[in-house]
Order: sequence, then structure tokens, then C-alpha cells
Amino acid sequence: DTGVSQDPRHKITKRGQNVTFRCDPISEHNRLYWYRQTLGQGPEFLTYFQNEAQLEKSRLLSDRFSAERPKGSFSTLEIQRTEQGDSAMYLCASSPGGSGRYSNQPQHFGDGTRLSIL
Amino acid sequence: SQKIEQNSEALNIQEGKTATLTCNYTNYSPAYLQWYRQDPGRGPVFLLLIRENEKEKRKERLKVTFDTTLKQSLFHITASQPADSATYLCALLPNTGGFKTIFGAGTRLFVKA
Repeated sequence: DTGVSQDPRHKITKRGQNVTFRCDPISEHNRLYWYRQTLGQGPEFLTYFQNEAQLEKSRLLSDRFSAERPKGSFSTLEIQRTEQGDSAMYLCASSPGGSGRYSNQPQHFGDGTRLSIL
Repeated sequence: SQKIEQNSEALNIQEGKTATLTCNYTNYSPAYLQWYRQDPGRGPVFLLLIRENEKEKRKERLKVTFDTTLKQSLFHITASQPADSATYLCALLPNTGGFKTIFGAGTRLFVKA
């Protein structure tokens, strides 16, 4: 399977703990996105990478959240000092680089990491 | 305020009929609009993209229309099948710079055999 892979699929942790999720995009894709999705809602944009550069971050991404994409390949999303409100599905997506921002390349999503905070 | 809205109520239709889902947006100027399908516990799967200067796109049994005057997109599934039952999300990329894609909350579609 050459789709977007996310690990782990499920994470249960106690409030106050740190968690880290990993995303492996489709290998030739240089654009990578992180989203958060809660029940009954659509995905909410968190951050965007083009290769290794983090080009955009949502105001939703508080200082407890950090994302990296070393060497422009896989990406990690870390949440420090987790809170109850962090419980959600965290989705990663990737897309090919196109000719400019409006290149009509769809995003390919992984199946997410479901985070539950006890 | 900026909003992207989809029918919050589930849509129930009979197999073979055409399903029509609506996506309305307010105070956005989309560069393009996309439709995705999402099954429970899975990530969204891309279906169709329509650009701001396009009126209609088709792919097999799927059709998307885009009316920038009404600020609305309609998504049609013809000859619907029980396997089409899922949540359908619309998403837009604002024409204001940046890479932030905005998703609606989705509409749940049930197709009865």
C-alpha cells in the first residue's frame, strides 16, 4: 500500500502527558498537511509543510503543539501537556507539488490517529 | 463571519435515485472547491475538484456544480447505491493566499436498498 500512513491508529493517554504522532506521506508528495477532526465536524486545518518548511500554522495550533518534517519526508505532530479538549482524530494528508499554490492537486488522507485523553 | 455550511441532517434516499448534497459558503472567495467522501473511522477520500471559473464537473456517476453568484456548490450522485452511503465533505481553498483548506461539517448520506 503506497498511501498515506499514520501511526499509531489509536492513542489513549492521561491528561498532562505528552504524545507524538507520525505521518508517512506518499513518497513523491512534497506537500503535507495536518488536520484535527472531532465528531460531527469536518477536518480543521492545523499546519502545512512544503518539503521541510512549515509554511502555515493555524491559530488553533497553540504553543503546546509542534510539528516537524525533517528532510521533507515523514512528519511528526507533538502535543505537550495534553488536555481533555485535545481528544480528537488527527489526520495527515499529502499532495504533489504543482505549479503554484492553486495547482489542482487533491489531498490524499491517511486514516488518522484517534487520541483519547483520560 | 466566514462560514461553509452543509446540510446537517442526514439524507435518506432509495437506491437508484439521485442524491443531491448542498454546500454553501459565506464571505469566502474560493480558488477552488473539492468534494470528499469519508467512511466511519477512515480518512477523507478525494472525489472531485472544481475551479472558480468552472460551472460543472463530471466523473462517472458524480457531478459537481459551482455557482459563485449563489456561493453554492451542488454534488450529485446518480443511480445511487447502498455502497454510496457515507459522509460527504465539501472543502474550499480561499483565494486570499495561504494553503489553509476549509472543510464543511459534512452531510451523511444513507442509500436504502
